[in-house]
Order: sequence, then structure tokens, then C-alpha cells
Amino acid sequence: DIQMTQSPSSLSASVGDRVTITCRASQSITNFLNWYQQKPGKAPKLLIYAASNLQGGVPSRFSGSGSGTDFSLTISSLQPEDSASYYCQQSSSTPSTFGQGTKLEIK
Amino acid sequence: QLQLQESGPGLVKPSETLSLTCTVSGGSISSSSNYWGWVRQPPGKGLEWIGSIYYSGSTYYNPSLKSRVTISVDTSNNQFSLKLSSVSASDTAVYYCARRDKTYGYSAYWGQGTLVTVSS
Repeated sequence: DIQMTQSPSSLSASVGDRVTITCRASQSITNFLNWYQQKPGKAPKLLIYAASNLQGGVPSRFSGSGSGTDFSLTISSLQPEDSASYYCQQSSSTPSTFGQGTKLEIK
Repeated sequence: QLQLQESGPGLVKPSETLSLTCTVSGGSISSSSNYWGWVRQPPGKGLEWIGSIYYSGSTYYNPSLKSRVTISVDTSNNQFSLKLSSVSASDTAVYYCARRDKTYGYSAYWGQGTLVTVSS
């Protein structure tokens, strides 16, 4: 199985900050990397697919980059509603695997 | 707007079989562009992909669960189902059904999730 390692596991930032979450794959996944946001008691919400494509309806402050084994999710100007957990997912090979998650708190 | 809804028992006894159904509305499960799958999340933990099915019946399972998992599709009722046998407490989780894009593997549509507790 491809292992996905996210960092940090948790972070606290202020409204307006630029925040970056990274995700590293244990082997190359080209651009088969997706990012989700999950709020307590809710299903995951797709933010970014294929490493850098913004899902429709997602605010443009979210962006994704990377290829191969190293990827990142950036929130350009943090908003209060961005408090959530974030997960990366590789969909390059079966089984699809998720990172362990990053819990983002607003100061 | 596509919607997915999980249904099934919220409590299952150890060693028995967990059975869930996902009903798809607002779109056809026979879409050639998508797979349909299950993801679970133990309380307070991360996401685990269980498996997926194509409308033709082709299945893809997580090897860690493969010996216990069966996913099936009912195109006439626009539903797909999950069966997980010989459950134990470690199978207690919120179970989500989701639509998976055939090309890039992302899931833009998810059910709300259903908590299944394994306990006697």
C-alpha cells in the first residue's frame, strides 16, 4: 500500500494567515492526489482533485500543488470557517489511502 | 443534484455481518464515469477506504478487509451495498458511501455517514 504522511498533525493560526499543509507519498503517485476538508459530524468535502484542480464552489483561497511524492494544500488567507480537519488521499493505486489528517484551529 | 444516503442497522453484534445500503438519487448509478464506494472512519480517527464497485459489477477491495468484504450493485433500484462479515469492536465506525470519479479517483459526492457500533 502507498503510505501518505501529512504534516503537521495539528496547527493553530490566525484569521488572515497563509497556511500550508503538506502530504508526502511513499512512492510516486504522479498527480493522483486529492484534498478534503472535514468538519465535526460531517462527511468529507472535496477541495482539490488531481493535485491542483479546484473543485467547483470551493473558495479560491484554497490551492493545491505538487507532483510525484510531495504535495501541499495552501489556504491563502485563513477564514474562521476554515477550522476543520484536512485529509489528503492518493488515488493512484488500489487501495486508495488517506493521510492521517491535519487538524486546523483558528486562534 | 446528486445525493447519496446510507441505511442499515446502527448496532451489530460481534462475529455477525454488517450490512449497509447506499441509495443514489438525482443521477444514475449506471454512469460510465464513476465508481461507487465505501469509506469508514472510526470515532476520532482518520479515513479508511473499504472498496468500490462499477455499475457492471467489477469490484476493488482494500486488501486489509478483502476476506470479509462484499460490495454489490443493484442498478434497477439505483443502490449499492456493503457487507462486512465477522465484525469486531474495531469495525465500529462511521460508514460513508461515496461516488468516485473513474479517471482521477476523487469523491465529490458523499452520503452523510452512518455510525455502526459493534457491541453485544
